[in-house]
Amino acid sequence: GQNIDQPTEMTATEGAIVQINCTYQTSGFNGLFWYQQHAGEAPTFLSYNVLDGLEEKGRFSSFLSRSKGYSYLLLKELQMKDSASYLCAVVEGDYKLSFGAGTTVTVRA
Amino acid sequence: GAVVSQHPSRVICKSGTSVKIECRSLDFQATTMFWYRQFPKQSLMLMATSNEGSKATYEQGVEKDKFLINHASLTLSTLTVTSAHPEDSSFYICSARDHGHSSYEQYFGPGTRLTVT
Repeated sequence: GQNIDQPTEMTATEGAIVQINCTYQTSGFNGLFWYQQHAGEAPTFLSYNVLDGLEEKGRFSSFLSRSKGYSYLLLKELQMKDSASYLCAVVEGDYKLSFGAGTTVTVRA
Repeated sequence: GAVVSQHPSRVICKSGTSVKIECRSLDFQATTMFWYRQFPKQSLMLMATSNEGSKATYEQGVEKDKFLINHASLTLSTLTVTSAHPEDSSFYICSARDHGHSSYEQYFGPGTRLTVT
């Protein structure tokens, strides 16, 4: 089975930085995805980490520590359009994705 | 590239009727597609894995006779919700893996909002 935890909600100011943490306990780990989802829409891909370390992609960065079962998504220079739900998903075994409950980020002016 | 479509985007049906949702990979072949269900303010829950040319694999607690899955070609999977009830009202999302790539990435469709009255 799997146990994936992330905070329910976070609020930040436009232009600020927010870090969303995700901890997991799982077997057969084959990587971790971060997705962004706006209400009523499908998730969109943000990042994929399978090796330890930090992956930077523009304003978004993702970090993974396999030994600690820990990942975070870092959002920099927040914009109003970044208000969304952010989903942590672990790849287990045969390509199955197990999702965390999602973190709703609200960006305020 | 890597576009997945779903049809319909929204559907309202009466209790007791059946509804079919289509998931298509438009520019790639997908031997494996996934069906998820998402209730309001909750995350995606995997319902089943759809394999082209073989039976779907259902997650624990998902009734295979109620949620019929057919994956008859490399670009199309269908989910039929049979004898729908109000508690089946949800957002159904499909995803697909690109047959030609070894990565674990799944490409998601835009979702289908099902409302059962």
